[in-house]
Amino acid sequence: AQSVTQLGSHVSVSEGALVLLRCNYSSSVPPYLFWYVQYPNQGLQLLLKYTSAATLVKGINDFEAEFKKSETSFHLTKPSAHMSDAAEYFCAVSGPRGGYSTLTFGKGTMLLVSP
Amino acid sequence: DADVTQTPRNRITKTGKRIMLECSQTKGHDRMYWYRQDPGLGLRLIYYSFDVKDINKGEISDGYSVSRQAQAKFSLSLESAIPNQTALYFCATSDQDREQYFGPGTRLTVT
Repeated sequence: AQSVTQLGSHVSVSEGALVLLRCNYSSSVPPYLFWYVQYPNQGLQLLLKYTSAATLVKGINDFEAEFKKSETSFHLTKPSAHMSDAAEYFCAVSGPRGGYSTLTFGKGTMLLVSP
Repeated sequence: DADVTQTPRNRITKTGKRIMLECSQTKGHDRMYWYRQDPGLGLRLIYYSFDVKDINKGEISDGYSVSRQAQAKFSLSLESAIPNQTALYFCATSDQDREQYFGPGTRLTVT
């Protein structure tokens, strides 16, 4: 069975600083990996996905993530935080469940951006 | 218009009442999902359906049931609501790419 661990339920950065949100996964098969963002009072929106092509994946709003198989990690980064990036971020892994493929989500990391 | 819609958006109900949450999608996807979100727990899968004749339990299906009325419609029912079912509920759809598209959510409060 697949699982996802997101390190840190809350991460605080200053505007303009580097954003780093950590995600480690376990999967019995080569995984598909995703990062979603949830703004207040909204549903989840896909930021980026890894589907076994390039290990460095670029997403929307200058976010990117690097798939590292040896470390079983898929950390999310952004060079310079904006106030509008304040939201909750979820890492997810796609894997087998009873012959089907479903997503398993991490518990989320709330990103706080201060002026 | 939104690709995935959920009704109602907010609902307050009493313990023991039956309630149905509805989801519709215009993306033409075969696969649909119901999740609940609780603070600090992320999203947990309740039920999923890979086509109209296919219904599967997720990790937390106890106390819930679903109905797939058509390719575009997937409903979640709480037969006898209890307070610990107070949560934010999301519907999602996907195609073969496994990326899921989410609705705006239904905030359910059981008193």
